[in-house]
Amino acid sequence: AQSVAQPEDQVNVAEGNPLTVKCTYSVSGNPYLFWYVQYPNRGLQFLLKYITGDNLVKGSYGFEAEFNKSQTSFHLKKPSALVSDSALYFCAVRDRMAGGGNKLTFGTGTQLKVEL
Amino acid sequence: SQTIHQWPATLVQPVGSPLSLECTVEGTSNPNLYWYRQAAGRGLQLLFYSVGIGQISSEVPQNLSASRPQDRQFILSSKKLLLSDSGFYLCATDRGGSEAFFGQGTRLTVV
Repeated sequence: AQSVAQPEDQVNVAEGNPLTVKCTYSVSGNPYLFWYVQYPNRGLQFLLKYITGDNLVKGSYGFEAEFNKSQTSFHLKKPSALVSDSALYFCAVRDRMAGGGNKLTFGTGTQLKVEL
Repeated sequence: SQTIHQWPATLVQPVGSPLSLECTVEGTSNPNLYWYRQAAGRGLQLLFYSVGIGQISSEVPQNLSASRPQDRQFILSSKKLLLSDSGFYLCATDRGGSEAFFGQGTRLTVV
């Protein structure tokens, strides 16, 4: 079964500093990896995805992620954090289902807190 | 671009009462539709998915059911709610190989 792991429940960073939210994956075959962000009592917002191609993927709101096949990682990064980036971040891997749909398997989430 | 509407935003229901949550999608046709549940503010679990009208697949056995009466409408139901059905329910859609987009969710509290 495919899975992703987010080893950190919470990440704290000062505004203006770079941030990294970690994700490692375990898949058979080529991975389809995603990052989503969730604000309190809201749905998930898509940030970026890796399907194939360049290992550095650029997404919304200045976020980027680096796909590393040898380390089976897909860490989310941003060069300069903002207080408004404070939210819950989810890494996910997508699997094609027998019935034709796509199943997202999520990590447990990492709470990012950006402080002044 | 596609838009997902979910309602209600919050719901408090007594144990044993029925449930109906609705999700509709705009801006796309023949989408894949999904119901996820988020428990305790963290983990998300796929409950049901549908690739077409009347086609429902269940991922986990549970007290809930789903239906897709129209192309862009997905309904989550229960005949009798349990306390363990409390959670944040999210409808999602994708089409082909695109990323999934999520609705704003319904917070269900069973009392």
